[in-house]
Amino acid sequence: GENVEQHPSTLSVQEGDSAVIKCTYSDSASNYFPWYKQELGKRPQLIIDIRSNVGEKKDQRIAVTLNKTAKHFSLHITETQPEDSAVYFCAAHARQLTFGSGTQLTVLP
Amino acid sequence: EPEVTQTPSHQVTQMGQEVILRCVPISNHLYFYWYRQILGQKVEFLVSFYNNEISEKSEIFDDQFSVERPDGSNFTLKIRSTKLEDSAMYFCASSEALRGETQYFGPGTRLLVL
Repeated sequence: GENVEQHPSTLSVQEGDSAVIKCTYSDSASNYFPWYKQELGKRPQLIIDIRSNVGEKKDQRIAVTLNKTAKHFSLHITETQPEDSAVYFCAAHARQLTFGSGTQLTVLP
Repeated sequence: EPEVTQTPSHQVTQMGQEVILRCVPISNHLYFYWYRQILGQKVEFLVSFYNNEISEKSEIFDDQFSVERPDGSNFTLKIRSTKLEDSAMYFCASSEALRGETQYFGPGTRLLVL
């Protein structure tokens, strides 16, 4: 089945700096790659997604890139703010949605 | 904006007891899912459901688990005989389509098995 690896597991950045989280997947049939933000005790909230026919997508301070050949995709957050602090999960969808292990992002004021 | 809802928000049960977790998916969605998240760990897929049938299920979704859409709005997850290791947050999700479509998550039910 699909295997999604996510790095790093923790990431601390200064407010205003950029944060990058990287994921790799194993199933070449995966065609949809969402990113979820999860605050403590809350539901995962979709922040951005990308489909396999697109290499890059941007929404304000958030961007995602996808390299299908290398089977990896990345989340980029620019101009980070303290409210960006949360756990971020990548996921890949082939027959089911498989999540990465999560990245605890801390934005230091 | 429509949201997936789940009840109860918390459930405490004794080992060996049956529990039913309830979900109301977004009304025009056709695909429904259950996920589990053990505290501090990643979200794990349990099962997907479409047209009153299971579409996919993971290794976690063994004979102790079952899903049902008993009426036009509810989607339930039943755990027949709970084990300590079933303690987790259970999320329901729904989507308009199966592949390449956004899944919207409910707020979760925190299950504690004693």
